Amino acid sequence: AQTVTQSQPEMSVQEAETVTLSCTYDTSESDYYLFWYKQPPSRQMILVIRQEAYKQQNATENRFSVNFQKAAKSFSLKISDSQLGDAAMYFCAYRGVGSGNTGKLIFGQGTTLQVKP
Amino acid sequence: DADVTQTPRNRITKTGKRIMLECSQTKGHDRMYWYRQDPGLGLRLIYYSFDVKDINKGEISDGYSVSRQAQAKFSLSLESAIPNQTALYFCATQGAVQETQYFGPGTRLLVL
Repeated sequence: AQTVTQSQPEMSVQEAETVTLSCTYDTSESDYYLFWYKQPPSRQMILVIRQEAYKQQNATENRFSVNFQKAAKSFSLKISDSQLGDAAMYFCAYRGVGSGNTGKLIFGQGTTLQVKP
Repeated sequence: DADVTQTPRNRITKTGKRIMLECSQTKGHDRMYWYRQDPGLGLRLIYYSFDVKDINKGEISDGYSVSRQAQAKFSLSLESAIPNQTALYFCATQGAVQETQYFGPGTRLLVL
């Protein structure tokens, strides 16, 4: 069974600085998707970034980028120029794409990010 | 208007009561999911449905049931609520298998 682990329950960063959130996963599949979701105090789950495993290039979305290391099964999120609005809980998630796959997301435990002014 | 809506947003109920959480979507997606979020555990899958006639159990389906009334509606029921079902519940939808899942705003449920 696939698992996702976020080993940092809490992180903090100074406004305008850069922070990296860690995520590791375990799978025997060769093709899959990885995601980072943001959950602010409003509790809405917001997609931050997505990575297809078959793509070697790391995904980027404005100030958000990932470091995808397929062999190491590592998928970290880097937030550059941190803003107060980035304060939230961040979830790493995995989804397989094999035939008959349910499409379900497997989530890590979450990392709470605090941004200090 | 939001693409995925959930009602109610918050609910307090008593042990033994039956309760239904509703989810509606305007995205035209066939795939719909119910997840439960507990502190320190992330989100876990309760049930999922690929169309009106296709409903499947997730990893934590005990104590829950679902109904897919239409492509756009997917309801989650707790037949006899118990305190350890206190959690945040999310509905999500997805189009094709390679597409992103979109989440509703969540329902916070407290079972006393």
